[in-house]
Formats: sequence, structure tokens, C-alpha cells
Amino acid sequence: GAVVSQHPSWVICKSGTSVKIECRSLDFQATTMFWYRQFPKQSLMLMATSNEGSKATYEQGVEKDKFLINHASLTLSTLTVTSAHPEDSSFYICSARDLDRGYNEQFFGPGTRLTVL
Amino acid sequence: AQKVTQAQTEISVVEKEDVTLDCVYETRDTTYYLFWYKQPPSGELVFLIRRNSFDEQNEISGRYSWNFQKSTSSFNFTITASQVVDSAVYFCALSDERDDKIIFGKGTRLHILP
Repeated sequence: GAVVSQHPSWVICKSGTSVKIECRSLDFQATTMFWYRQFPKQSLMLMATSNEGSKATYEQGVEKDKFLINHASLTLSTLTVTSAHPEDSSFYICSARDLDRGYNEQFFGPGTRLTVL
Repeated sequence: AQKVTQAQTEISVVEKEDVTLDCVYETRDTTYYLFWYKQPPSGELVFLIRRNSFDEQNEISGRYSWNFQKSTSSFNFTITASQVVDSAVYFCALSDERDDKIIFGKGTRLHILP
């Protein structure tokens, strides 16, 4: 149980295009999902917290107009990187909180590797 | 402010040796949670352990053990009789009870040499 999937697992796009990444909780409901970014050989940095049915909360320094987050259902959150540029190339990881398992129990997706040419 | 420090950027040991990964944390909260994750080359995070601030008992799981000491704000991780498959980046992390945010340390890259 408590499986989180991400799609796609990797994506290559041209500079200026938009890319959508999906994060799904497969066997539980997630009122809260989180999006992290990890540059090569660096740590995971939280980008935003996504709550079902409401606006996402972005961390300082993260452009909300560039990284659009939608959490329309209890099992799906999407991250859209708009007008992607090479500096947006990174590993994007989502996590989901299983409310039934209690606070601070997050489950991570396998990540999406984005390369912007 | 919360902070997690993993001073060891990279460690190399020969297979079968024991290795300890250090983690020091900072928080003003009395209730908090500490984690260790393993990230193999595939990139997927593997959850290893979660410990709350009220439980200072050391934990052992097979070849893995964790030493939590509130007095020194440390949560160290030891791998006994290391194996090549243990090679990965290991992250220590912290979250508090006010929100779910998990703050990660910078990670320790562990190389187990055959």
C-alpha cells in the first residue's frame, strides 16, 4: 500500500515549451501533496505544497507563475513547468501524505527527470 | 529555523566494513520527526526510518542501526558489514508537527568498494 506514481518518468522538451508532470496516489487519498526539485548532486528542495481544492503554497524563491500546480482530486496533483528553459532541467519528485496513516507520513513518487534543450 | 547538517559529503569504504553516517539537526520545536532516506542511482527515494522526538530508543533493522541523541541533536545511521548494494546517497531529514514540510540535509554519497 501507499504507492505514489509519477508520469512521465522522464521528458525531453525544447526551450519555451510547457511540460506537465502528474503525481498520483494509487491506493490512498492524499489531501496534501508536495513537489520537490533536485538538481544533480544536490539535495531535494521543497518547491510547493499542494492542497486538494485550494491554491498551492509556494516556497520562497519559487515562481508560482512558472510552476503551475493543480490538485483537483484527492489522488492527483499536476506540476506544469511553463516556458521551460535549460535551467529548469532537474529531477522533480512529488510526495503525498496519507491522512489515514497520520501526520508526517509522506510517500514519495519515483521522480521525473526533465531535460530542456 | 529548521536545519539538517550532514557534514560528510562523500564516504568510501571497502565492502564488509562498518560505516556511520552523521546527521545533526536544528529545530526549536519540541515535537518533530527525523527521517533517513536512501537514494540509489535510479533516483527513487527509499524510506528507511522515521523517528519522533519523544522516542530516543535506538533502532536496529538488520544491518542498519540508528542512534538518536537529543542531547547532541544527532541522529546517526550505521551500516554494519556494508555491501556494494548499499552504495547510494543517503539523506537525513526533519519535519515538525506544525506542517508537513520535510527539510532534507545535503546528503552523503556512500561508495562501497568491492
